[in-house]
Amino acid sequence: EPEVTQTPSHQVTQMGQEVILRCVPISNHLYFYWYRQILGQKVEFLVSFYNNEISEKSEIFDDQFSVERPDGSNFTLKIRSTKLEDSAMYFCASSETGKNIQYFGAGTRLSVL
Amino acid sequence: AQTVTQSQPEMSVQEAETVTLSCTYDTSESDYYLFWYKQPPSRQMILVIRQEAYKQQNATENRFSVNFQKAAKSFSLKISDSQLGDAAMYFCAYRSAGMKGHGSKLTFGTGTRLQVTL
Repeated sequence: EPEVTQTPSHQVTQMGQEVILRCVPISNHLYFYWYRQILGQKVEFLVSFYNNEISEKSEIFDDQFSVERPDGSNFTLKIRSTKLEDSAMYFCASSETGKNIQYFGAGTRLSVL
Repeated sequence: AQTVTQSQPEMSVQEAETVTLSCTYDTSESDYYLFWYKQPPSRQMILVIRQEAYKQQNATENRFSVNFQKAAKSFSLKISDSQLGDAAMYFCAYRSAGMKGHGSKLTFGTGTRLQVTL
């Protein structure tokens, strides 16, 4: 069964460093999303992406965040200068045109030291 | 803005028994989708079941079923014949249908941790 793939599974970085989280959505899906989950808290929406542009973003998704689809398969989330409070699980999801289900990857655990 | 409330932080059920997890939501929209996702210790988000608001019939997936009460804005999940593998965090989620297939975000509740005991 097709699945959303995220790499790395765990990323450790120093405060102030840039990180790029990578996702390979399901191949025929055109809508992509990033969510984050701070430990012990609920899953929060960050951004949605379609047709090479952001469809919607939350107030969490400030100028420190950016997304990109650099090629036909990858979808990335970049955090330019990480803060301690960026430590969280980051989930990528994708959905198919006309379908209401979002399929999630296994997540990347980001630890900012 | 839509909100999703899960008032039970933790629930416990004995193996083979039935348990119901509660979820309420607030919205002014008439057309939307509701979901239950399961998050086991591995922390992957796994879709359990979904419900379209325009459908009156409650969704069912094997041992999982929902009680969707649109007027009350309630969407509970019933797990029958509970198994040890059902132990996980369960999240209720809402998605607007205003942008059909156009990337509407999911709004999640705070989750209910389900323990399954022998």
